[in-house]
Amino acid sequence: NAGVTQTPKFRVLKTGQSMTLLCAQDMNHEYMYWYRQDPGMGLRLIHYSVGEGTTAKGEVPDGYNVSRLKKQNFLLGLESAAPSQTSVYFCASSYSGTGSGYTFGSGTRLTVV
Amino acid sequence: KNQVEQSPQSLIILEGKNCTLQCNYTVSPFSNLRWYKQDTGRGPVSLTIMTFSENTKSNGRYTATLDADTKQSSLHITASQLSDSASYICVVRATSYGKLTFGQGTILTVHP
Repeated sequence: NAGVTQTPKFRVLKTGQSMTLLCAQDMNHEYMYWYRQDPGMGLRLIHYSVGEGTTAKGEVPDGYNVSRLKKQNFLLGLESAAPSQTSVYFCASSYSGTGSGYTFGSGTRLTVV
Repeated sequence: KNQVEQSPQSLIILEGKNCTLQCNYTVSPFSNLRWYKQDTGRGPVSLTIMTFSENTKSNGRYTATLDADTKQSSLHITASQLSDSASYICVVRATSYGKLTFGQGTILTVHP
C-alpha cells in the first residue's frame, strides 16, 4: 500500500537553480494537490489538478509550475528557486472534489540557499 | 476571509492524562471539518471528518466535537500515550467542492 509517494525527501538548492518534485499515487485518484507548509502557518495550496491533463492555480502559485501528464503523477517545478521557497512541500490526492479519500504524501523538505 | 484558528499553539502533558485541543473557524458556507494528526517528518493523517449534522465523532481515544452554531470544534484525547506526540491540525472545507482551509496546528508533547 504505497498511497502517495513523494521524491525526493530532502533537497538543497542554490538560488536560481531549478528542480522538479515528483508525486505519485497508486489509488486511481482523480484529484491531486501540492501544498507548502511553513512554520506557524497552515498548509497552503499551490496548485491542483482535477484530472489527467488539467491543472489549476491555488492560493500561492507564483514561482511554481505543475504538470499532470499521467493520472498517477503530479509534478511541481521551480524554475528559478528563491530563498522564500524554502519550505516543506506536501502532495495529496483525493478520489473526488468532495475530498473523499484525501491522502497526503510524507513531504519534501526543500532548502534554498 | 475564511480562517481556522487553533489553540493552544503547543501543549505538554504527562502520559496517561487527558487533553483537549480547540479549533475556531470562520469558513462559510460550511461543508465539513477534519482533524488530522501529523507526526514529525510525515504527512498529515486523517483522524475524523465531521459534517454539519454531526456533534461528536470518535476514533479510538480521539473524540471530536463540533458546534456548527458557534463554529467551534474540539479534539479530546483520552489516556494519552507517548505516540500521541504530534501536531494536530484542524481543517475546514467550505461547501462540498470548496478548498480546504488549514489551521496552524497544535503541537502536543506527551512526556513519560
